[in-house]
Amino acid sequence: GQNIDQPTEMTATEGAIVQINCTYQTSGFNGLFWYQQHAGEAPTFLSYNVLDGLEEKGRFSSFLSRSKGYSYLLLKELQMKDSASYLCAGTDSNYQLIWGAGTKLIIKP
Amino acid sequence: GAGVSQSPSNKVTEKGKDVELRCDPISGHTALYWYRQSLGQGLEFLIYFQGNSAPDKSGLPSDRFSAERTGGSVSTLTIQRTQQEDSAVYLCASSLLGGGGIETQYFGPGTRLLVL
Repeated sequence: GQNIDQPTEMTATEGAIVQINCTYQTSGFNGLFWYQQHAGEAPTFLSYNVLDGLEEKGRFSSFLSRSKGYSYLLLKELQMKDSASYLCAGTDSNYQLIWGAGTKLIIKP
Repeated sequence: GAGVSQSPSNKVTEKGKDVELRCDPISGHTALYWYRQSLGQGLEFLIYFQGNSAPDKSGLPSDRFSAERTGGSVSTLTIQRTQQEDSAVYLCASSLLGGGGIETQYFGPGTRLLVL
């Protein structure tokens, strides 16, 4: 079957670094997305990885290991506005997105 | 408009009534998706439209759910004889091409449906 696993909730401190992990099992694989969703709002695109390695975009970086079926989102210099849910989504052989349940990130001062 | 719009933003209805939810995708986007998100849960795929192709209805939870997309643009999701378990946020997303490419999906603000 197809499955995306990520932690339900994480807590971190303002100014610190946090890593949100995601493991996936999809029938075929055509890349992995990370989306950010603030409470009561729609998800917005953060990153897309299809090749192994780390991609950096400012304070946010995303990593993919295809052989391990594993990705992580790294957030540096955390700000209070980073409090949100982070959704991991894998694409299967039909290019359909398989969504994880999301990781709720709580930032404390 | 600049983004995906959805209406109504909130809908409260009584069990057994029908509801219609509307989605206006980004102009020029050929692919349109409907998702359902229950409180604290991830996105549940419902249905996917791509151009003039037959829609992928594989995610619709029951025959009470149906969707149309008229003229390749606006879409309406209809839930007949609503049940309390239908209460959720219904999100619509669009992407430029769909049909086998990897694309970012752009989401609307959602319709929050509460069935009493």
